[in-house]
Amino acid sequence: DAGVTQSPTHLIKTRGQHVTLRCSPISGHKSVSWYQQVLGQGPQFIFQYYEKEERGRGNFPDRFSARQFPNYSSELNVNALLLGDSALYLCASSEARVEAFFGQGTRLTVV
Amino acid sequence: AQSVSQHNHHVILSEAASLELGCNYSYGGTVNLFWYVQYPGQHLQLLLKYFSGDPLVKGIKGFEAEFIKSKFSFNLRKPSVQWSDTAEYFCAVTRGGTASKLTFGTGTRLQVTL
Repeated sequence: DAGVTQSPTHLIKTRGQHVTLRCSPISGHKSVSWYQQVLGQGPQFIFQYYEKEERGRGNFPDRFSARQFPNYSSELNVNALLLGDSALYLCASSEARVEAFFGQGTRLTVV
Repeated sequence: AQSVSQHNHHVILSEAASLELGCNYSYGGTVNLFWYVQYPGQHLQLLLKYFSGDPLVKGIKGFEAEFIKSKFSFNLRKPSVQWSDTAEYFCAVTRGGTASKLTFGTGTRLQVTL
């Protein structure tokens, strides 16, 4: 069975640019969540989508946005990148009341 | 808003030593509690979870955790660690009824020496 897949695995962007990260959940999972993990810290919740609707948003600026498609895959978009946006971005899929399964993440470096 | 504290940032143990990693959370309502592990170069994996029932939860690879509601704690234990347990361990909490919107602690880096 395929787990949660994220693309790309690594990305280097320049300050001010825009980035799109992609996530495919485990088949049958309708909930997708995004997390940011800065080096040395635990993952921080960014967004949750369920059935294509936003169900939760963490304490992140409006430069961060996301969406979920009819096939339950998801995109995370970040505009006007800052150096501080450099991090590992994790996607997790889940069914209600069951564990969240994480992907390998996308390592974003902003230079 | 809930928060999670992991007081041990870096723990070094010899193989066969016993392990206890502390985790405290702050939230007064019903919570679900998790321990995740991140082996070097790998994705986060669930070790164990508590939703309700027996407060002593057994997980994979010989790990267990005890939920003590009065202390807002969910400490992770293992009687005898192995070199392969070297990893980063994260405690996480969600509000009752969901496995999404996890709030993580800052993590504990465990190093097991031979």
